[in-house]
Amino acid sequence: EAGVAQSPRYKIIEKRQSVAFWCNPISGHATLYWYQQILGQGPKLLIQFQNNGVVDDSQLPKDRFSAERLKGVDSTLKIQPAKLEDSAVYLCASSLGTQNSPLHFGNGTRLTVT
Amino acid sequence: AQSVSQHNHHVILSEAASLELGCNYSYGGTVNLFWYVQYPGQHLQLLLKYFSGDPLVKGIKGFEAEFIKSKFSFNLRKPSVQWSDTAEYFCASIRGNNRKLIWGLGTSLAVNP
Repeated sequence: EAGVAQSPRYKIIEKRQSVAFWCNPISGHATLYWYQQILGQGPKLLIQFQNNGVVDDSQLPKDRFSAERLKGVDSTLKIQPAKLEDSAVYLCASSLGTQNSPLHFGNGTRLTVT
Repeated sequence: AQSVSQHNHHVILSEAASLELGCNYSYGGTVNLFWYVQYPGQHLQLLLKYFSGDPLVKGIKGFEAEFIKSKFSFNLRKPSVQWSDTAEYFCASIRGNNRKLIWGLGTSLAVNP
C-alpha cells in the first residue's frame, strides 16, 4: 500500500513569511493528524481530523496556524506569519480511526525559519 | 494529566549488547501502548503495540516489549543490538476511548560497530 505522502520535504523561509504543507493520507484512512516535532522532542499534536471534521485542535496556535481537510482526504497546514520558533519537522499521520489502529507517518516537512 | 516518561534520553551501546529502554505511563485505566522508531532521515515507524492479551509483545526487527500493569511500564527490549538500530525511539500511549496519542520525549540510541 502507498504510504502517507507529504510535500515539500524541505522548506526554508524568512520570519514573517507564510508557508503551506500538503499531506495525502493512506487511502481509506478516516483520521488525519498534523504533528510538530522540534529537534530533540517527541511529536506534538497540532490538529486531528476525523474525515473533514476537526476532533482536536487544542494545541494549534490559531493566531498563525491553520489547517483544512475540505473533502476528507488530503490536507494542508499553513503558517502565516512564521516565527523563528516554528522551525521544526511537520509530520502528517493517518489511521483508520478505529480503536486499535496505529498511526502511519509521512516523511515530514523540515521547515527552517531564518 | 496523562503522561508518558522515557527515562533514558541518550543511550550508547556496542554491537551485540542487550538493550532495554524504559517507558512509564501515568494513567491507571485501559491503555494502549506503542513504540515507534525514527531512523536517521526517515519517518516514524511503528515497532510494536499493545492493546490487550499477552503482555509480552513481539515487534519487528527482533524488538519486544513487556506490559507490566502494576508498574505502569512498557519497556522496550532487544537481546542483541546492531549498528542499524541506531535511531530515535518513542514510547506513546492512548487512554481508553480518548484517541489522543501521548508521546514520550524519545530516547536516542547510538550503536557503535
